[in-house]
Amino acid sequence: AQSVTQPDIHITVSEGASLELRCNYSYGATPYLFWYVQSPGQGLQLLLKYFSGDTLVQGIKGFEAEFKRSQSSFNLRKPSVHWSDAAEYFCAVRVSGGYNKLIFGAGTRLAVHP
Amino acid sequence: EAGVVQSPRYKIIEKKQPVAFWCNPISGHNTLYWYLQNLGQGPELLIRYENEEAVDDSQLPKDRFSAERLKGVDSTLKIQPAELGDSAVYLCASSPDRAQNNEQFFGPGTRLTVL
Repeated sequence: AQSVTQPDIHITVSEGASLELRCNYSYGATPYLFWYVQSPGQGLQLLLKYFSGDTLVQGIKGFEAEFKRSQSSFNLRKPSVHWSDAAEYFCAVRVSGGYNKLIFGAGTRLAVHP
Repeated sequence: EAGVVQSPRYKIIEKKQPVAFWCNPISGHNTLYWYLQNLGQGPELLIRYENEEAVDDSQLPKDRFSAERLKGVDSTLKIQPAELGDSAVYLCASSPDRAQNNEQFFGPGTRLTVL
């Protein structure tokens, strides 16, 4: 069965520092992968997605993610974090045959220190 | 363009009481999803609608949960009776259709507290 693991429950970084949030997936074929961000009291917003092609995907708000099939990973990165990036981040994989059914990881909560 | 609208945003009820959540998807979106998000967890799909038809409700606890999407637009999710363990955020999402590469747009959710 497809699954998503986000090993880090909580991460704290200083403003201006680089960021990498980890995501590992379990899937038999080429996955469709997503990163969403959820600010307090808000719904989930799509940051970026990977379907095929270039394994380095650019998203909104300066985020990027790299798909590595050999490691079953899809880590999210940002070179310089802003205080407004403090939020919860969810990685998700689309279930095969599920017509856009998403399986989410448990999320990583990002705190940003000034 | 308006996003997905959900109401109420917050609801506090006593156990065994009924409760209902309402969702208005983005105009023109045929596919509507209800998700359950427990504290510290990612969203889990409860039910998916294609227009007015529920095409995936395998994760919906049918003994107490029900949903409807009359006329294929707005949707209501109901719990009757509510239990303490139902305290969570209930998210609604929509997408243009069921195509597998379509983005799902999420509403702000309804936070339910059962006392």
